[in-house]
Amino acid sequence: EAGVAQSPRYKIIEKRQSVAFWCNPISGHATLYWYQQILGQGPKLLIQFQNNGVVDDSQLPKDRFSAERLKGVDSTLKIQPAKLEDSAVYLCASSPRQGAGTEAFFGQGTRLTVV
Amino acid sequence: GQNIDQPTEMTATEGAIVQINCTYQTSGFNGLFWYQQHAGEAPTFLSYNVLDGLEEKGRFSSFLSRSKGYSYLLLKELQMKDSASYLCAVEGTVTALIFGKGTTLSVSS
Repeated sequence: EAGVAQSPRYKIIEKRQSVAFWCNPISGHATLYWYQQILGQGPKLLIQFQNNGVVDDSQLPKDRFSAERLKGVDSTLKIQPAKLEDSAVYLCASSPRQGAGTEAFFGQGTRLTVV
Repeated sequence: GQNIDQPTEMTATEGAIVQINCTYQTSGFNGLFWYQQHAGEAPTFLSYNVLDGLEEKGRFSSFLSRSKGYSYLLLKELQMKDSASYLCAVEGTVTALIFGKGTTLSVSS
């Protein structure tokens, strides 16, 4: 079974530029998450989708971050404009469903450096 | 509010036993996950506890006390490959996984 695919693996941009990340979840997984992991910290939830609907985006900085999940499969996360503090690894995860005890499977992440 | 605390770093030697503690205060609680994350890699699932008590899976065990807001991950017969970050994550009743900052474990020979 193929895992969660993310691209690109690495990205370096200047502050105030825009950037987009792509995620392809495990086939059939209805729930998709984007997490931000700053060096030395645990992952922080940015947004959760159930199929193509948003379940939780309370911690998404909506003035600069946006995410969509068209057709309930692939997802993109965009930052515009980027700030220095956005430097982090952006992890995408998926799970078969939303519910107690459902394991989330993570992709390898996109490491973003903002200079 | 949500608060999850774990020690930042721990060290141990090969063959030893180490216990990584996690305390949590969350507005809702469904269960608690432990994930392992090697440097530069994705987190991978280790265990899930929903009821009080000990869950054993090979060299790894995880314990939960819901009344105390406390969990631990026990690693036995440590190997060099166990050097990694261990993430405690709480599953809320209405929220997705909320992670602690992680505990970096260094295993030496």
